[in-house]
Amino acid sequence: KQEVTQIPAALSVPEGENLVLNCSFTDSAIYNLQWFRQDPGKGLTSLLLIQSSQREQTSGRLNASLDKSSGRSTLYIAASQPGDSATYLCAVRNPASGSRLTFGEGTQLTVNP
Amino acid sequence: SAVISQKPSRDICQRGTSLTIQCQVDSQVTMMFWYRQQPGQSLTLIATANQGSEATYESGFVIDKFPISRPNLTFSTLTVSNMSPEDSSIYLCSVGRGSTGELFFGEGSRLTVL
Repeated sequence: KQEVTQIPAALSVPEGENLVLNCSFTDSAIYNLQWFRQDPGKGLTSLLLIQSSQREQTSGRLNASLDKSSGRSTLYIAASQPGDSATYLCAVRNPASGSRLTFGEGTQLTVNP
Repeated sequence: SAVISQKPSRDICQRGTSLTIQCQVDSQVTMMFWYRQQPGQSLTLIATANQGSEATYESGFVIDKFPISRPNLTFSTLTVSNMSPEDSSIYLCSVGRGSTGELFFGEGSRLTVL
């Protein structure tokens, strides 16, 4: 059974700092991995999708990496801004589980002005 | 991406009643899912909404409690039946689009049961 863990659970940084969020998964036979952002009480916004054959994906100030063999992904946020404050969720999709995503618990990020 | 609209965005309900949540997508999609997010927790898949056939439920979720309809490729409903305070959650509709397998989510429906 796939398990996804995100560390840290919460992170508070000053504006402008570069930061890294971590995601680990127990079953490396994944189809893809997706990073989401969730604002309080809201739905999820897809940030980046990495296919199992890819090593990284970039979108603006965000860069996500994938090391499938070690069961790890990182989300790098450059030059953080207060507007980046949200919960960041990592989710993996395994071929054996069809289209079901297995989510981590999330990292709650606060960027202080 | 996909534009996914959910109604209601939030509601406060009495114990024992039922509520139906609607999900409308801006274009036809094959895969449509319903997730639950209990307070302070991550997301759990309730079921896959299949067009023209019965939904496929995950372990721990049953049709009598969470009946789902999918009359066409752009619309689905989830009903939370005979609600109790434990059903207080955010319910999210999700769709898959394209060959990448990327999933997109609606804004969610925040349900509070008193």
